Amino acid sequence: DQQVKQNSPSLSVQEGRISILNCDYTNSMFDYFLWYKKYPAEGPTFLISISSIKDKNEDGRFTVFLNKSAKHLSLHIVPSQPGDSAVYFCAAGSNTGKLIFGQGTTLQVKP
Amino acid sequence: NAGVTQTPKFRILKIGQSMTLQCTQDMNHNYMYWYRQDPGMGLKLIYYSVGAGITDKGEVPNGYNVSRSTTEDFPLRLELAAPSQTSVYFCASSYARGRGDSPLHFGNGTRLTVT
Repeated sequence: DQQVKQNSPSLSVQEGRISILNCDYTNSMFDYFLWYKKYPAEGPTFLISISSIKDKNEDGRFTVFLNKSAKHLSLHIVPSQPGDSAVYFCAAGSNTGKLIFGQGTTLQVKP
Repeated sequence: NAGVTQTPKFRILKIGQSMTLQCTQDMNHNYMYWYRQDPGMGLKLIYYSVGAGITDKGEVPNGYNVSRSTTEDFPLRLELAAPSQTSVYFCASSYARGRGDSPLHFGNGTRLTVT
């Protein structure tokens, strides 16, 4: 039972354009959501988060949108840069303390 | 500041052998986690701990054991290694629940192969 799903295994965009990564979840008890970025041979690093009481959070080039009725969140990267090429994981958590991750989306930004 | 340190980086085990994956953090974090990453499957939570002496199962705990005798250390034990345990293992820690104001800090992983 995959509670957090990233249905696109990969995404390729041109440098300077927008990258949109999507994530769906099934458990309505999740009350916070995060995005992590992972380079090869390294552990994931925290990128941006959003609480369930908000529908948008912005940090520089990165914006996360949350649609609670659709149980969907997305990460927008504008403008995309070659250094953004990595695997992006969305994750969801609740008051249990567990953080559940999606399968990841590999983003390639072409120069 | 070392953050989260995992040892070893790589290991090859024969079926039925046992080993302990070590994880230590120097950030005085209360919460610690073990995840495994399989190709195309994302990160699966194995066990987690909310403080010394307290552990709980995650999504895929079978075949593993953990202990948390100190705040700093959270070792993961494989008793009878099986090929299905071939994976990359990540340890992580956070000050509180892994929300945006207390995100998880990950180690660089241990790549384990069981043959």
